[in-house]
Amino acid sequence: KNQVEQSPQSLIILEGKNCTLQCNYTVSPFSNLRWYKQDTGRGPVSLTIMTFSENTKSNGRYTATLDADTKQSSLHITASQLSDSASYICVVSASRNTDKLIFGTGTRLQVFP
Amino acid sequence: SQTIHQWPATLVQPVGSPLSLECTVEGTSNPNLYWYRQAAGRGLQLLFYSVGIGQISSEVPQNLSASRPQDRQFILSSKKLLLSDSGFYLCAWTFLREGETQYFGPGTRLLVL
Repeated sequence: KNQVEQSPQSLIILEGKNCTLQCNYTVSPFSNLRWYKQDTGRGPVSLTIMTFSENTKSNGRYTATLDADTKQSSLHITASQLSDSASYICVVSASRNTDKLIFGTGTRLQVFP
Repeated sequence: SQTIHQWPATLVQPVGSPLSLECTVEGTSNPNLYWYRQAAGRGLQLLFYSVGIGQISSEVPQNLSASRPQDRQFILSSKKLLLSDSGFYLCAWTFLREGETQYFGPGTRLLVL
């Protein structure tokens, strides 16, 4: 069964600290893995997309890694800001078509001053 | 640039009433369009997707339906709402290309009482 599991479910950190969110997946075949940021009450916004051959990809203070052998991905946030408070969703595509996206339930991150 | 609109932003409806949510995309042509539902504390669930006018694929059998009367218009409907239809409904678009980013609308929060 295709699944995407994220951990932790929720996380609280202080402003300026770094954090790492985890994503494990059992999706086959694998096409690509995406990380989205979703502010409360808003639609998700894409942070990164990685294909099988990519090990790491950065978008500002966000760095995603992918280990296709162990089927694990992480999202590292550097020097967190209050505006980083959001849910972070890991999404794995099981085909070339975006109709086969498997969504994780997300990690709820709260950054406090 | 491309933008995606959804309305209404919030909606409170009684059980058994009809539903019509609208999504429109600007700045692009022939996009793939998607309707998702996000229940509280749950991941996104794909409801419908469309690769062209009048072409609708349903992922989950339920009392909802979708229509695409125009290239950049996607409508989610129901004849009789259930309590379980409450949730956050998101429209998204993308082009059919591997690794293509999926862009989400602002969402409609539906509460069925």
